[in-house]
Amino acid sequence: GAGVSQSPRYKVAKRGQDVALRCDPISGHVSLFWYQQALGQGPEFLTYFQNEAQLDKSGLPSDRFFAERPEGSVSTLKIQRTQQEDSAVYLCASSFGQHPYEQYFGPGTRLTVT
Amino acid sequence: AQSVTQPDIHITVSEGASLELRCNYSYGATPYLFWYVQSPGQGLQLLLKYFSGDTLVQGIKGFEAEFKRSQSSFNLRKPSVHWSDAAEYFCAVGAAGAQKLVFGQGTRLTINP
Repeated sequence: GAGVSQSPRYKVAKRGQDVALRCDPISGHVSLFWYQQALGQGPEFLTYFQNEAQLDKSGLPSDRFFAERPEGSVSTLKIQRTQQEDSAVYLCASSFGQHPYEQYFGPGTRLTVT
Repeated sequence: AQSVTQPDIHITVSEGASLELRCNYSYGATPYLFWYVQSPGQGLQLLLKYFSGDTLVQGIKGFEAEFKRSQSSFNLRKPSVHWSDAAEYFCAVGAAGAQKLVFGQGTRLTINP
């Protein structure tokens, strides 16, 4: 497809369950970003990949959050032992390497932890 | 560290009226500045960007923004809004070398018919 795709679009998890969120970036985009958007807030940076290398994970809120991009294309954000405060929309974005700030966003995954 | 403030949480304007959404940033050097729009249930769409050069930048959907270094501002404007412009608008700043974007809290725009 032409844009960034994310799956699932909606996820309901019971507290304590593990979840995995998938992002398919735009073909050829070397940079990939994950953001977390709480209700009524702006997106907040979680982590950044350049190809398969995770260059910045300073925004991950705890060691329960883990992201990977093993072949430099699709990325997965995993949250272990989910808690209610993890409820948010998780946005993925990608960009060309030469223009990392011009980021193109997917529709997001809305995670609700009950 | 850089930060972004959008002073207006919610703005209501009539269809056909002009619009200005405010954005103030905090960053020591010249920032990279962006405006994104988010419709309900959708991701963020890039409206326009400023990297350098002309301080008045044109974007999609008839939007423009002006970078004012002296005021640390990057306000978004549109001369005549359409009902389809109703959405959430986010201002963002990028810092050289940091790759990530820092977003403001957003301004929700409502259009009265």
